[in-house]
Amino acid sequence: DQQVKQNSPSLSVQEGRISILNCDYTNSMFDYFLWYKKYPAEGPTFLISISSIKDKNEDGRFTVFLNKSAKHLSLHIVPSQPGDSAVYFCAASLNTDKLIFGTGTRLQVFP
Amino acid sequence: KAGVTQTPRYLIKTRGQQVTLSCSPISGHRSVSWYQQTPGQGLQFLFEYFSETQRNKGNFPGRFSGRQFSNSRSEMNVSTLELGDSALYLCASRPYSGLTGELFFGEGSRLTVL
Repeated sequence: DQQVKQNSPSLSVQEGRISILNCDYTNSMFDYFLWYKKYPAEGPTFLISISSIKDKNEDGRFTVFLNKSAKHLSLHIVPSQPGDSAVYFCAASLNTDKLIFGTGTRLQVFP
Repeated sequence: KAGVTQTPRYLIKTRGQQVTLSCSPISGHRSVSWYQQTPGQGLQFLFEYFSETQRNKGNFPGRFSGRQFSNSRSEMNVSTLELGDSALYLCASRPYSGLTGELFFGEGSRLTVL
């Protein structure tokens, strides 16, 4: 059973526009959420995180929103740049336990 | 500070063989986790080691095993390889187990089983 789901395998956005990547989870007890970015032939790198006690966290062009009632997480990238083209994984943890990852969304930012 | 180092980066095996992958965590990190990445499945958690003890285990068969040494370096072993074991195996470290926060990943070991 996939506890963390990314239902969009791919997303294509024009440079300068907003990219919105979505993530749904099933376990309401998850208390920490993270986003990772992965380029080909590289390991995932941490992007941004949010605790379950918050509903928004912002870091430069990246903002993560958490809607606990809907068990939904989203990552907004504004403005999108070609260098943002990568696979994005959301992840969740419970009581500092292991991270459970989604299946990833491939973002392509075109000029 | 050197990152997480995984060896080998690429390897090809045949069905029935076994394979051992190695991971050196970031200096000072004592927790090492292993993940399997396959198309459509995302990153699946294999296990986590801390202070030479397995702290967590994912839903993988017993053919998948691991260990951690006193210097925090870790190895994972897959015995009796199957075609479905073809994947990118990622190692990640963090300072302590049970610490909320990011994992630092290596570049992975890509295993192809023929």
